[in-house]
Amino acid sequence: NAGVTQTPKFQVLKTGQSMTLQCAQDMNHNSMYWYRQDPGMGLRLIYYSASEGTTDKGEVPNGYNVSRLNKREFSLRLESAAPSQTSVYFCASSEGGGSEQFFGPGTRLTVL
Amino acid sequence: GQSLEQPSEVTAVEGAIVQINCTYQTSGFYGLSWYQQHDGGAPTFLSYNGLDGLEETGRFSSFLSRSDSYGYLLLQELQMKDSASYFCACDSGYSTLTFGKGTMLLVSP
Repeated sequence: NAGVTQTPKFQVLKTGQSMTLQCAQDMNHNSMYWYRQDPGMGLRLIYYSASEGTTDKGEVPNGYNVSRLNKREFSLRLESAAPSQTSVYFCASSEGGGSEQFFGPGTRLTVL
Repeated sequence: GQSLEQPSEVTAVEGAIVQINCTYQTSGFYGLSWYQQHDGGAPTFLSYNGLDGLEETGRFSSFLSRSDSYGYLLLQELQMKDSASYFCACDSGYSTLTFGKGTMLLVSP
């Protein structure tokens, strides 16, 4: 039982490049989330998927897109990376209400 | 919108008790969660208060007062391994959490 897994763990991009962050969970959870964490800013919600087939914007969605591929997988795409997107990205999942979320190990992204 | 306020840093010594406060302003509120995050690690769930009062889980307790829009996390018998960041988070009832900016707890010998 791996919980929530994320790939890659580290990534360096140049401005304008694109990439997709992958997330998968094996807990059969309905809801999945993408957060970014910047120093002193806590966790900010980018997008979430309350159930398979639905996605919604969070607090900071600009510059990102998501895909809920199936119940297990939720990917985050940066179409044209910018230095302001340098951050640590966490994927999380929860069963229903969302009060108890399980987080992946994070992806540390640097955009030059 | 939603906003949460918590102290940026708290220091304490091993064996002591420390309280981390959280005040919130939200347009909708179902409950308050607490998460722990060690440096370089992922956040992990500690507790949830959906009702007013105290919830106890081992050395950690969490309290909620809806009328005061206030909660706290209480850590007893502090250990060095408790040095971490602690986040409060509001459950708005829409399957999402809004997180505070976190409190860094430094435990010294």
